[in-house]
Amino acid sequence: DIEMTQTPLSLSVTPGQPASISCKSSESLLHSSGKTHLYWYLQRPGQPPQLLIYEVFNRFSGVSDRFSGSASGTDFTLKISRVEAEDVGIYYCMQTIRVPITFGQGTRLEF
Amino acid sequence: EVQLVESGGGLVKPGRSLRLSCSTSGFNFGNSALSWFRQAPGKGLEWLGFIRSKAYGETTEYAASVQGRFTISRDDSTSTAYLQMNSLKTEDTAVYHCGRDPGGTYWGRGTLVTVSS
Repeated sequence: DIEMTQTPLSLSVTPGQPASISCKSSESLLHSSGKTHLYWYLQRPGQPPQLLIYEVFNRFSGVSDRFSGSASGTDFTLKISRVEAEDVGIYYCMQTIRVPITFGQGTRLEF
Repeated sequence: EVQLVESGGGLVKPGRSLRLSCSTSGFNFGNSALSWFRQAPGKGLEWLGFIRSKAYGETTEYAASVQGRFTISRDDSTSTAYLQMNSLKTEDTAVYHCGRDPGGTYWGRGTLVTVSS
């Protein structure tokens, strides 16, 4: 199974300040199609997860441009340029290049 | 608007069975894969499996933790997916979510399954 390791597991931020979450996969997520199967989700308190970023850096419909994704090999990063109150929750990375689909442990972002 | 609504959860004794439903609207169900996930109380997200569309033979993939006990099916005529859960264990207690696409482009709010004697 592909292991997804997130750091940090908890992140305390000040509103208006940037934040960054890392995710490392145990294997390459690059498909022969050229797409990299790495996704970022946010689970707000009491809500189901919602897709933020797909294929490393593509923002999903309606997602603020404060969110951005990047990659370097098997290291992936989600950045929030200026954290707002609505960004509080748990962030998960996920890979879909191979079953079983696997998630990172989650990173709790709080003020 | 894409919507997925799970139902069928509840309290069940170990060893018993339960079938969850995922009613959908707002997208082309017949062309979409449907996934199931769960989240145990206070824990992270776990993928359980998905079913491909008819065009891909409605084939399925499962996580090892549920392989042989859980079965995913679909009814394209009603845009509904199902999760048949057999031989339930206490560790299957969780909120169960369905999602569109293997990774869950959209998720439902989930239905709680509690396995306890």
